[in-house]
Amino acid sequence: QSVLTQPPSVSGTPGQRVTISCSGSSSNIGISPVNWYQQFPGTAPKLVIYSDDQRPSGVPDRFSGSKSGTSASLAISGLQSEDEADYYCAAWDDSLNVWVFGGGTKVTVL
Amino acid sequence: QVQLQESGPGLVKPSETLSLTCSVSGASVTSSSYYWSWIRQPPGKGLEWIGYIYASERTNYNPSLKSRVTISVDTSKKQFSLKLRSVTAADRAVYYCARSLSPYGGHAFDIWGQGAMVTVSS
Repeated sequence: QSVLTQPPSVSGTPGQRVTISCSGSSSNIGISPVNWYQQFPGTAPKLVIYSDDQRPSGVPDRFSGSKSGTSASLAISGLQSEDEADYYCAAWDDSLNVWVFGGGTKVTVL
Repeated sequence: QVQLQESGPGLVKPSETLSLTCSVSGASVTSSSYYWSWIRQPPGKGLEWIGYIYASERTNYNPSLKSRVTISVDTSKKQFSLKLRSVTAADRAVYYCARSLSPYGGHAFDIWGQGAMVTVSS
């Protein structure tokens, strides 16, 4: 049972917009920035969004992040086949004093 | 360019100690600016943060593993290490090392190693 809650899967057709939700609490998402990681099978996670809504250099602008209260979202606009991967949200939990992750969401491009 | 590389035995016997090393290139493992973490991922499951070390000696561990974990720095070898004692089958996972700035600012893990698979079996 992960501290942050994500849907197990989302899907969309090429060109569509999909969103992944991440629900937490006042001790993590409510007071800490949220980061999002993309992971392909057999590879290490890669940072795609940091500090709620910032994109690292090299990440396509079709990836965007947002946060409101104790929930955050990752949106992928103009979905492409290469976006098919697992996505994890993460935040520092100030009460538990640990990094907490969501359980991961598998994005499938139909 | 900062790179991290995990190394260590891929097979550990139950009740023994898992030992992994993360070699750091392109950055100083002794810098007080960076936090060096270990994160694991059981096959087919999500990510679990194990702990971090910064400024060479300050550590913070996940309470769920704290009694069994030690993270340390070998400054001469530009490495930091993970020791997990009394392992069981539940410790079978891919172990990643990763870098971040202070977690208290929510800074992300921006650099990851490629991961090391560890199996626990007699």
